[in-house]
Amino acid sequence: EVVLTQSPATLSLSPGERATLSCRASQSISIFLAWYRQKPGQAPRLLISDASNRATGIPARFSGSGSGTDFTLTISSLEPEDFAIYYCQQRSTWPFLTFGGGTKVEIK
Amino acid sequence: QVTLRESGPALVKPTQTLTLTCTFSGFSLSTNGMCVSWIRQPPGKALEWLALIDWDDDKYYNTSLKTRLTISRDTSENQVVLTMTNMDPVDTATYFCARIDLHTVGIHYWGQGALVTVSS
Repeated sequence: EVVLTQSPATLSLSPGERATLSCRASQSISIFLAWYRQKPGQAPRLLISDASNRATGIPARFSGSGSGTDFTLTISSLEPEDFAIYYCQQRSTWPFLTFGGGTKVEIK
Repeated sequence: QVTLRESGPALVKPTQTLTLTCTFSGFSLSTNGMCVSWIRQPPGKALEWLALIDWDDDKYYNTSLKTRLTISRDTSENQVVLTMTNMDPVDTATYFCARIDLHTVGIHYWGQGALVTVSS
């Protein structure tokens, strides 16, 4: 099973600041990685697919990078709606999916 | 427009069997590459993939829960059913169904989730 480790667990930032979130895989997963944002009481929303492709309707302030075992989600300038929990997810081991433990982006 | 909606009991007792139904529209589970998965999230915790059924009626399960899970589909009714046996309080979670496309890494379409509490 591929284990995804997200860091940090919590990121305390102010609106307008840049956020950098990490996701590390226990083995190479090529670019089979997605990122989600989840607000309280809602289902996750897809932000990034294939490690770096923004999903339809996702603003340009979100960008993804990486391949193999190390991946990064960057939010260039935090908006109020971006204070939420972010998850990475891999499907290298199709159809067995796994999710990371999440990073909470909170207001400083 | 793709939609998914979970339905089932909000409360189950320990040792009982949980049955959840995902009713979907806007796509056909018979189309090559289409799949439906169940994913759960305990309160305040991370997401956990449970099971997947694909366009060919092949079924796949989380290895740690495999003995307790059954996923099935009713293509004519556009429904996917998940049963989980021997429920325990640690199974208290929001259960999501989601459409998965074989050709896409990420999951675009999710249901709103159904909170299931396991308590006597």
